[in-house]
Amino acid sequence: GQQLNQSPQSMFIQEGEDVSMNCTSSSIFNTWLWYKQDPGEGPVLLIALYKAGELTSNGRLTAQFGITRKDSFLNISASIPSDVGIYFCAGQNSGNTPLVFGKGTRLSVIA
Amino acid sequence: ETGVTQTPRHLVMGMTNKKSLKCEQHLGHNAMYWYKQSAKKPLELMFVYNFKEQTENNSVPSRFSPECPNSSHLFLHLHTLQPEDSALYLCASSLPGGDEQYFGPGTRLTVT
Repeated sequence: GQQLNQSPQSMFIQEGEDVSMNCTSSSIFNTWLWYKQDPGEGPVLLIALYKAGELTSNGRLTAQFGITRKDSFLNISASIPSDVGIYFCAGQNSGNTPLVFGKGTRLSVIA
Repeated sequence: ETGVTQTPRHLVMGMTNKKSLKCEQHLGHNAMYWYKQSAKKPLELMFVYNFKEQTENNSVPSRFSPECPNSSHLFLHLHTLQPEDSALYLCASSLPGGDEQYFGPGTRLTVT
């Protein structure tokens, strides 16, 4: 089946630093989504991307839909302690098909 | 209540027990989902319901039995589970099309 490869698996950064993570696939997706999961909670939708090349921001978060449709990037600027959590990417081929999730990037922020 | 709620938040059950997980969404969505989340594995889709009709069963063992009485409520009935079924069970909902899915907080299930 389809798989999404997220990298890095985990990262430790200093508060105030910028963060970049990505998600790649061997096949094309027409929708890319980024979620964040806090400990003991369900994933929360951060950003949804629908068009190749699209760049979308949500506060300090910026995500891009790769031009090849096989990748997506998430950047966090000026990280703060509450950015700690696991970030998941998800892709969808077309409407009504299941989302495919990556394994997540675990972010730790050192104050 | 807003968003997607799940009860109970934590559940410990023996392998011979029968229990049920409940999910309720207050978002006006028509599609609901059950996912299993295990450590170091991607989210695994279990079941999908669209307008109360099951549209996806991802080869889930019959010891998991879903029920969707209406578009706002989803249940997962559990019986004779195995220890490897211990995981976080997440419910989600969306509009038809299923891209922007909104998740509940999950039920942490431990099978002893």
